[in-house]
Formats: sequence, C-alpha cells, structure tokens
Amino acid sequence: AQSVTQLDSQVPVFEEAPVELRCNYSSSVSVYLFWYVQYPNQGLQLLLKYLSGSTLVESINGFEAEFNKSQTSFHLRKPSVHISDTAEYFCAVSDPWGQNFVFGPGTRLSVLP
Amino acid sequence: DTEVTQTPKHLVMGMTNKKSLKCEQHMGHRAMYWYKQKAKKPPELMFVYSYEKLSINESVPSRFSPECPNSSLLNLHLHALQPEDSALYLCASSPSDRDNEQFFGPGTRLTVL
Repeated sequence: AQSVTQLDSQVPVFEEAPVELRCNYSSSVSVYLFWYVQYPNQGLQLLLKYLSGSTLVESINGFEAEFNKSQTSFHLRKPSVHISDTAEYFCAVSDPWGQNFVFGPGTRLSVLP
Repeated sequence: DTEVTQTPKHLVMGMTNKKSLKCEQHMGHRAMYWYKQKAKKPPELMFVYSYEKLSINESVPSRFSPECPNSSLLNLHLHALQPEDSALYLCASSPSDRDNEQFFGPGTRLTVL
C-alpha cells in the first residue's frame, strides 16, 4: 500500500515570492504521482501528474513538480506566486494499475499581499 | 463536456430524513467515485463504481447507499444520518478504474442537524 506525507500543513508566502510545497511518499511498487488544488468551497482540480518519462512536469499556470525516486519525493514549486494561488494543495499517489489512490493530508498555501 | 456536476450544492437534513445526492458526467467515463471530505482534511474514498458495478466499498455505514443507474449518473442515498456525517461529499470520474486521473465535481455541502 502507498502512503503520502506533506510535512507542511500551512505555508504563508508573500505575493511574487517563490514557493515549494513538499510531498514525500512510500510505496513497495512503482507509483504515479499527482498534485491536486482545491480552491475555497470548490472541488479538486488536477494540477499536474507524473506517470512516466521526464521527471519534471509542468502545469499551465506556472507550477512544476519533480519526481525524485531516490528521495521518494514529488515537491511542487512555483517561482512567483499570485494571490489567486491561495488554496489547499493535495499530493496523491496511486499504483500503476490505478488502484490504492491515496491523498496526502494537504498543505494550505496562503499568498499574502 | 468535460465536467462533473453535482446537485444539490448544499443540503441540510435532519437525522430522520431521507435524501439523495446526484452526480453526473458526460465524458464517457466508466468509473465513478464518492468521497467524503471533512474540514481541513483530505478526501476519503467511500465507493467506486466500475462499468456501473460497485467495485469498492470502503467499509461505509449502511446509512449511505450508492446507486449507479447508468454510466453517466451516480447517486448517493442518505438515510438516518448522524451529525458527524456532515461534510463535503465529492463525486469524481475517470475513464476507467485503471486510469489514474480523476475529474472531480464541486461537491455537495451536507449538514446533518
């Protein structure tokens, strides 16, 4: 079975500053990794995913995440955040067969003016 | 149409009431999911339907009864709920239960009095 750890429950950051949201996983098999974002009072939206291939994946709104197998990490980064990035961010993992889909506890990103 | 819709957006019910939550998608997805999300927590999987058959029931109490009338619709029937069942109920779909990318609806905010 897989598990996911997000070490930071809250991350406050000033607008236009860089941010990194940490995600670590454990699994006995190879994994697929995801970042979902949840804006206040909304459902979850897929931000980006790693299935195979290049270990660096990017989203259309400037976020990127890098899969690091040796460190079992999939940290999310953005070089310059906006107020509108304020949301809850969930890292998730599944096995390659689409089973055992597990969410991490979430990190609340608060972008301050 | 690339979205999952859920109705109602908000629901308040007493412990003796019977109500239903509805979820709909027209993306041709063959797997549909119900999640429960408490405040400041990640979503917890409740049920998975694959090709209109219940494939996963995560030990959910019988006061929650899922139904999949066809490949586009997913219902969650509620009866004799408890106040601790108050939560955001999220529906999701994916092309199949072997596909890892889940598309989420906006959720139904349920309050049990």
